[in-house]
Amino acid sequence: EIVLTQSPGTLSLSPGERATLSCRASQSVSSSYLAWYQQKPGQAPRLLIYGASSRATGIPDRFSGSGSGTDFTLTISRLEPEDFAVYYCQQYGSSRGFTFGPGTKVDIK
Amino acid sequence: QVQLQESGPGLVKPSQTLSLTCTVSGGSISSGSYYWSWIRQPAGKGLEWIGRIYTSGSTNYNPSLKSRVTISVDTSKNQFSLKLSSVTAADTAVYYCASSPVAAAFRYFDYWGQGTLVTVSS
Repeated sequence: EIVLTQSPGTLSLSPGERATLSCRASQSVSSSYLAWYQQKPGQAPRLLIYGASSRATGIPDRFSGSGSGTDFTLTISRLEPEDFAVYYCQQYGSSRGFTFGPGTKVDIK
Repeated sequence: QVQLQESGPGLVKPSQTLSLTCTVSGGSISSGSYYWSWIRQPAGKGLEWIGRIYTSGSTNYNPSLKSRVTISVDTSKNQFSLKLSSVTAADTAVYYCASSPVAAAFRYFDYWGQGTLVTVSS
């Protein structure tokens, strides 16, 4: 079973700052099967990035994804007020299906 | 654009079976373009994938829940459903239905329902 670990647990930043979120897998993950989501309180998750680095439809270009193997990163280049939320990474494996990381909360400093 | 809406009882007694339905609009569940999944999230915690179904009725389940889960599809109603048996308080969560495209070389959830809170309590 592939376990995803996200760090940090909480990231306290100010609007305009750069956010760097990490997602580490216990075994190598296909980049095609790595996605990132944003979730705000009381809302369903929203797809941001798929295939490790492809932005979903309508996602601003301040969001970018990178990485391969066991280490993946979501970067928000300049935080906007609406970006303060919880971010989850997700991977897919043919034997066990989908798993999510525990999330990183980006809150206002 | 595909829209999903969960429905079902918000309160289930321990040891009973949780039953939820997801109604799909803006597209046909029979199109074969999507897998249809259930995902849950306990309050203040992370996301857990429960399982998925394809138009044909083929299913895949989270191994940790497999013994208690049944997902089915009703193409005539454009709906798919979740049954989770022998529930305990640990099954209290917001339950989401979501879609993931079949044809893509990628695996992700692009459309989500708004979620429905199910509480297990006597």
